[in-house]
Amino acid sequence: DGGITQSPKYLFRKEGQNVTLSCEQNLNHDAMYWYRQDPGQGLRLIYYSQIVNDFQKGDIAEGYSVSREKKESFPLTVTSAQKNPTAFYLCASRDLTAYEQYFGPGTRLTVT
Amino acid sequence: KNQVEQSPQSLIILEGKNCTLQCNYTVSPFSNLRWYKQDTGRGPVSLTIMTFSENTKSNGRYTATLDADTKQSSLHITASQLSDSASYICVVSLYNNNDMRFGAGTRLTVKP
Repeated sequence: DGGITQSPKYLFRKEGQNVTLSCEQNLNHDAMYWYRQDPGQGLRLIYYSQIVNDFQKGDIAEGYSVSREKKESFPLTVTSAQKNPTAFYLCASRDLTAYEQYFGPGTRLTVT
Repeated sequence: KNQVEQSPQSLIILEGKNCTLQCNYTVSPFSNLRWYKQDTGRGPVSLTIMTFSENTKSNGRYTATLDADTKQSSLHITASQLSDSASYICVVSLYNNNDMRFGAGTRLTVKP
């Protein structure tokens, strides 16, 4: 999983609660990404960041928020506004001078 | 409509046999195409990366081809092993490399 860690691996929450997923990388990559993976669908981009203190919305940003206070860290908060938060969440990073994107091991979030 | 279509959705083969997975895309302008292997419950791991000017790339028993004119790519796996059982994901990046379109994947099962 290339120097990207996500924690926890499994997360359970009650409906209406916010939850924060951790993503840390030691690859010195500038760009970091959050994706959501649902069965039978391709990965969908939630947010990405190319530089500290700056981030851009992806295709499905509603109900999610992020921060990028350090180059190594890009936490994702799933808020109570997200209508269907149960999914597998993947964090990735990339050196802006290269094509390759490295993924973390993922966090499976279950909201009941 | 997904701009990256993979076929088949699932495939079962016997250990030792070869197989070919397909990826057709409509996105443009094209930057690069990547194939990933994703084990169940894990993050995707890169297999190959091809730019517009490359039409084949190998990584051990995995060989990817690209026809940028017809916008088709294939991933050929030779002498399959039980450990090849996984989902294989095709990803096409647009020119800015932050806009990436993911296929839904092909689920490969290798049986003894």
